[in-house]
Amino acid sequence: DAGITQSPRHKVTETGTPVTLRCHQTENHRYMYWYRQDPGHGLRLIHYSYGVKDTDKGEVSDGYSVSRSKTEDFLLTLESATSSQTSVYFCAISGGVLVTEAFFGQGTRLTVV
Amino acid sequence: AQTVTQSQPEMSVQEAETVTLSCTYDTSENNYYLFWYKQPPSRQMILVIRQEAYKQQNATENRFSVNFQKAAKSFSLKISDSQLGDTAMYFCAFMKHRTNDYKLSFGAGTTVTVRA
Repeated sequence: DAGITQSPRHKVTETGTPVTLRCHQTENHRYMYWYRQDPGHGLRLIHYSYGVKDTDKGEVSDGYSVSRSKTEDFLLTLESATSSQTSVYFCAISGGVLVTEAFFGQGTRLTVV
Repeated sequence: AQTVTQSQPEMSVQEAETVTLSCTYDTSENNYYLFWYKQPPSRQMILVIRQEAYKQQNATENRFSVNFQKAAKSFSLKISDSQLGDTAMYFCAFMKHRTNDYKLSFGAGTTVTVRA
């Protein structure tokens, strides 16, 4: 299995509080992604990174920010959590030998109450 | 932006039978990749099969094969000799082939249930 770890795996938080999810990889892959998964929508891209300090918005980036200060870590921050951000969040990496092959973390279930 | 459409929310198949999942996509790119991912109840995302757009030959991985129709922008997945372990949600996905732009876009998914 690819070395990709998400933390925390589960979190319950209150509306209006900031939340940070961490994605850590040991594969030295260049590209990292944050997705959210909701019923009926599949996985939707929140933010994407193509290198250290190089990020780009995805299709559902409002209310989220990211940072990548080193290759192995990609942080997703919900600046002020809302109930609509209750979801399962996945991190993914790509850019290995097969640059297009993406590996996924195990997901973080976030509940905003 | 690329869009990926899976028109079948759910499908059911008898064990040992064949099932075909549909996927269409919209893009102006000429070079890209298409994928099918499997997500079993464990929630883990597993790559099933990959297709490069520049290759005309359809990809095959054991019991899984695709029918790639580039002009029609269609990319269907056939699961042959279905097994109980194939029960999962299946996602079709698209990736451009551009430096610094390897964003992966997904369809809404198709839930496949294999009946004993």
